[in-house]
Amino acid sequence: EVQLVESGGGLVKPGGSLRLSCAGSGFSFSNAWMSWVRQAPGKGLEWVGRFKSKADGGTTDYAAPVRGRFTISRDDSKDTVYLQMNSLKTEDTAVYYCTTGHCDSTSCHWDDAFDVWGQGALVTVSS
Amino acid sequence: QSALSQPPSASGSPGQSVTISCTGTSSDIGGYNYVSWYQQHPGKAPKLMIYEVSKRPSGVPYRFSGSKSGNAASLTVSGLQAEDEADYHCSSYAGSNIVIFGGGTKLTVL
Repeated sequence: EVQLVESGGGLVKPGGSLRLSCAGSGFSFSNAWMSWVRQAPGKGLEWVGRFKSKADGGTTDYAAPVRGRFTISRDDSKDTVYLQMNSLKTEDTAVYYCTTGHCDSTSCHWDDAFDVWGQGALVTVSS
Repeated sequence: QSALSQPPSASGSPGQSVTISCTGTSSDIGGYNYVSWYQQHPGKAPKLMIYEVSKRPSGVPYRFSGSKSGNAASLTVSGLQAEDEADYHCSSYAGSNIVIFGGGTKLTVL
């Protein structure tokens, strides 16, 4: 079964740090581009950032609101991707999902069609 | 990049069709055929329903269809069923390795 399982959510004070983990199974993790998407309470989805596979360059990209504060990393030996969140703000409060793209018979849509999702990890930033 | 624009709510009776719009710009929806739609039930993770504007992943009912015209995309749900009641989110590739989402539309089956 293809699966993503997040861990590491919790309550943190403004200005603090937190690291989320996401373990994958049932698919070729090392070939996958791994993304993080968040959802503030009662709001829509927001793309946070992505780590390309090492074979495709192993680079990262981030949404403007988190650039410079959040860092995505991966350990392919553990089939795990991480989201390090620093200088947290109250507006970062959200459920954070890790996700990866949809592959059909012709190609994989790493950046435009997220097919496998974790269960979500709640991050609450509050004093 | 600003979020894509979706109506906050939509509704229809069982058996009817309903269309949800998603409006962007020439830098996102209008510039790429990489629009996706997600269904999300309360407390659950999103589920991919449509990708590349109009393609359905395996297992998604034919009742769900997508289209695009200019800077706007649409999701149509035909033959509405009770289980279709959920939030629907659109997304688009926006160039420069960036993805943007809409604010979501709550679909109510009357």
